[in-house]
Amino acid sequence: GESVGLHLPTLSVQEGDNSIINCAYSNSASDYFIWYKQESGKGPQFIIDIRSNMDKRQGQRVTVLLNKTVKHLSLQIAATQPGDSAVYFCAENILGGAQKLVFGQGTRLTINP
Amino acid sequence: DAGVIQSPRHEVTEMGQEVTLRCKPISGHDYLFWYRQTMMRGLELLIYFNNNVPIDDSGMPEDRFSAKMPNASFSTLKIQPSEPRDSAVYFCASSFLGPSNGDTQYFGPGTRLTVL
Repeated sequence: GESVGLHLPTLSVQEGDNSIINCAYSNSASDYFIWYKQESGKGPQFIIDIRSNMDKRQGQRVTVLLNKTVKHLSLQIAATQPGDSAVYFCAENILGGAQKLVFGQGTRLTINP
Repeated sequence: DAGVIQSPRHEVTEMGQEVTLRCKPISGHDYLFWYRQTMMRGLELLIYFNNNVPIDDSGMPEDRFSAKMPNASFSTLKIQPSEPRDSAVYFCASSFLGPSNGDTQYFGPGTRLTVL
């Protein structure tokens, strides 16, 4: 499987720099958010999630920030490495509801050596 | 542990032919999802199952698409007859708990379908 050639927003950063990928979600009732990474030839892979009762959550080299006021989500990747090159998707959901996970358009991150 | 397994990885067929995509979820996962990824529409959910029972098929584009899950370790997505606009990458994913519980979905490598 591969990510098809989507006409995606693209972010290019230098290796070692920090990256910030942004996502505007659509449903103000959404209370659960996930970031997925999709490398070429692979399916989406879970990176980190956050619930609406938090505004920040940290993982290994990644931090997700949530601003419910403006319905905005961001993924920060520290000290980017060549292996971080991928398409990144945010997804939203409503816990306890009958909603499906809804994926955003995605952002292509390219790491320059 | 093996992840989600999909077959075939690539499928090229002619318009009008029947196409069957296969998926083996992670053992112990009660939920199975079929997604389609296209340039125009991104990643969209087609259908998902809980304990082999279809729960939400509202994303299935039309009657040409059907999905089954005869047992906990196998699911198929069938397109009959196939059309060029069905060309896409089809992903299968599985999770232990359902979407309403916020459980992580694990994706397979996908099947790239090309309908000529």
